[in-house]
Amino acid sequence: RKEVEQDPGPFNVPEGATVAFNCTYSNSASQSFFWYRQDCRKEPKLLMSVYSSGNEDGRFTAQLNRASQYISLLIRDSKLSDSATYLCVVNIRNNDMRFGAGTRLTVKP
Amino acid sequence: DAGVIQSPRHEVTEMGQEVTLRCKPISGHDYLFWYRQTMMRGLELLIYFNNNVPIDDSGMPEDRFSAKMPNASFSTLKIQPSEPRDSAVYFCASSPDRDDEQYFGPGTRLTVT
Repeated sequence: RKEVEQDPGPFNVPEGATVAFNCTYSNSASQSFFWYRQDCRKEPKLLMSVYSSGNEDGRFTAQLNRASQYISLLIRDSKLSDSATYLCVVNIRNNDMRFGAGTRLTVKP
Repeated sequence: DAGVIQSPRHEVTEMGQEVTLRCKPISGHDYLFWYRQTMMRGLELLIYFNNNVPIDDSGMPEDRFSAKMPNASFSTLKIQPSEPRDSAVYFCASSPDRDDEQYFGPGTRLTVT
């Protein structure tokens, strides 16, 4: 089993749709979790951290499920500009941060 | 701050040639990371430094790859000799702490023919 796994997609959704991505991790002792966004031919950039209690930033909601060892990202009212690849990042052990392979999202008019 | 600076942005070279990629981290960041990204393997951590000292190079694919950080504002990743399978985008990133947000440079797109 990979240390960090994501559904690669692609997810193709219409504008205004709600879409959710999951990311599973193998080390139950992992403490830190993040979502990054990467636009085509650009570098990854931090979208949001994921806190134990869940957190929201505008249309984006991140949640952590420790029992099942996954994090999720929910995007509401999706915009064309949300089209990108979303990478989950997990601190798997001893401050070793690992990136998932990414989930590609395309929002269509 | 200008952010993480990488050079060159694009590099095309022939198999067997030496390739040197350069990175200037954000001032004050104690951690520097080198990643490689391909369609097949995604984003892979190659090596990271803390205060200019290499901490974990377990991701470096083989002896053809080497990385140095002679001072806090400069790092290089060298491939010698280069092979076509090294073709990828190489990112440098820096962060204030190991568990903090990583700031990525624009990447170097390497093509080895």
